[in-house]
Amino acid sequence: GAVVSQHPSRVICKSGTSVKIECRSLDFQATTMFWYRQFPKQSLMLMATSNEGSKATYEQGVEKDKFLINHASLTLSTLTVTSAHPEDSSFYICSARDSFGGHSPLHFGNGTRLTVT
Amino acid sequence: AQSVSQHNHHVILSEAASLELGCNYSYGGTVNLFWYVQYPGQHLQLLLKYFSGDPLVKGIKGFEAEFIKSKFSFNLRKPSVQWSDTAEYFCAVNAGNTGGFKTIFGAGTRLFVKA
Repeated sequence: GAVVSQHPSRVICKSGTSVKIECRSLDFQATTMFWYRQFPKQSLMLMATSNEGSKATYEQGVEKDKFLINHASLTLSTLTVTSAHPEDSSFYICSARDSFGGHSPLHFGNGTRLTVT
Repeated sequence: AQSVSQHNHHVILSEAASLELGCNYSYGGTVNLFWYVQYPGQHLQLLLKYFSGDPLVKGIKGFEAEFIKSKFSFNLRKPSVQWSDTAEYFCAVNAGNTGGFKTIFGAGTRLFVKA
C-alpha cells in the first residue's frame, strides 16, 4: 500500500529557532500533500495544502511566514516552523493521496511531536 | 464552511458489545465521507469510505457505516467489538468539488474495549 514517511518523529528545540519537518511519499507520487496539526484531545486541524511546484495554500488563521511549506518534488514536502515559540508545540501530521480525486483516501505519516522550550 | 461533529469523545465497552459512533457533517453539496482509525502508536489509516452508490458501506475488521443524506450523518457501527478495536476513530469529510479536496476531521472518539 501507499506509504508516507515523516521525519523526525520527535524534535525538541529552543524558542526562537527553526525546525524543518519532512514528508515523503515512498511508493507513489503526490502532487498535493496536506499538513495537519493536532492539539491534545482535539481533532486534526488542516493547516495548509502543499502543491508541487507552486505555492502552498494556507487555511485561514495559519501564518504562512511562520509555517513555511516547500513542495519541490512529487515525493517530498517540507514544513519549516520558523522562530518557534512554546505555543507552536504540537503534533504535526502530513498526508497525501496516491490517486486523484476527493474519493481517494489520505495516507498519513506517523507525525512529528514538536516541543519548543 | 464544512464542519464535522462526532458525538462521543470517549466510549468504553466490553468485548462482544455492539458499537455505534455518531458523525454529522455540515455541507450541502456532494461529499466524500471517511472513517479513519488510529491504533495506539500507529499512524492514521482508512477504515472505510463512502462516495457514491450503496449508502451502507463495509470496511475492514467488520466495521460498517451508513450514509443518511437527509440527516447529514455517517455513523460507524460494529456488531461485536474486540479488545483489538481499542483505538481512536475519526470521521472525515471532503467536499466533492472543492479544489484540492481538503479533508476536514471530527474531534475523534477514543474507544476502549475491556477484555
